[in-house]
Amino acid sequence: EVQLVESGGGLVQVGGSLRLSCTTSGFTFSLNAMNWVRQAPGKGLEWVSSVSGSGGSAHYTDSVKGRFTISRDNFNNTLYLQMKSLRAEDTAIYYCAKDRSYDYDAFDMWGQGTMVTVSS
Amino acid sequence: QSVLTQPPSESGTPGQRVTISCSGSSSNIGSRTVNWYQHLPGTAPKLLIYNNNQRPSGVPDRFSGSKSGTSASLAISGLQSEDESDYYCAAWDDSLNGVMFGGGTKLTVL
Repeated sequence: EVQLVESGGGLVQVGGSLRLSCTTSGFTFSLNAMNWVRQAPGKGLEWVSSVSGSGGSAHYTDSVKGRFTISRDNFNNTLYLQMKSLRAEDTAIYYCAKDRSYDYDAFDMWGQGTMVTVSS
Repeated sequence: QSVLTQPPSESGTPGQRVTISCSGSSSNIGSRTVNWYQHLPGTAPKLLIYNNNQRPSGVPDRFSGSKSGTSASLAISGLQSEDESDYYCAAWDDSLNGVMFGGGTKLTVL
């Protein structure tokens, strides 16, 4: 059974940093691209970042470029999102999502999410 | 404002067929495949349709997807109360070099 479990969310001040983790099991982690998607309170889903199966290729939405870094540990089957210079508008539930393929295709499994609250 | 445009809400009665539209452009839907997700707030989103019209294992055939030009649609036939949820279309955008979600459509089963 495929499982994705996010952790690392919490309350942080504007300008602060946080690292999210997504621990996975039930599939060959290195064969699938991985993603972070967020949902701000009262808003829709927003893609944040993607990383290819090898970790060699990453993409970011414009609003987080230069502040967020996606990475993966294919030995420990874990996805990360390092978030710096956090802003109030980064407040959201952050979901980890597995892609169907090695590069972007479709997000076929999702975690339950971890809440990040950025407070001034 | 989302790159992919969806109606904010749709509604239908049990047994009815409803469709949710998703309008984009040549840099996303026009040149890429469309995926659809179902999301009940507070739970993990679920992939409903991938590659425009393919259903993952376990998704009932009441759900179907289609694409024409720069627009796509999700159809739900034989509407059931448990279909009440938020629905999102998504596609890669070559201009923005990232995945774009539609703004979401809240489906109400009356």
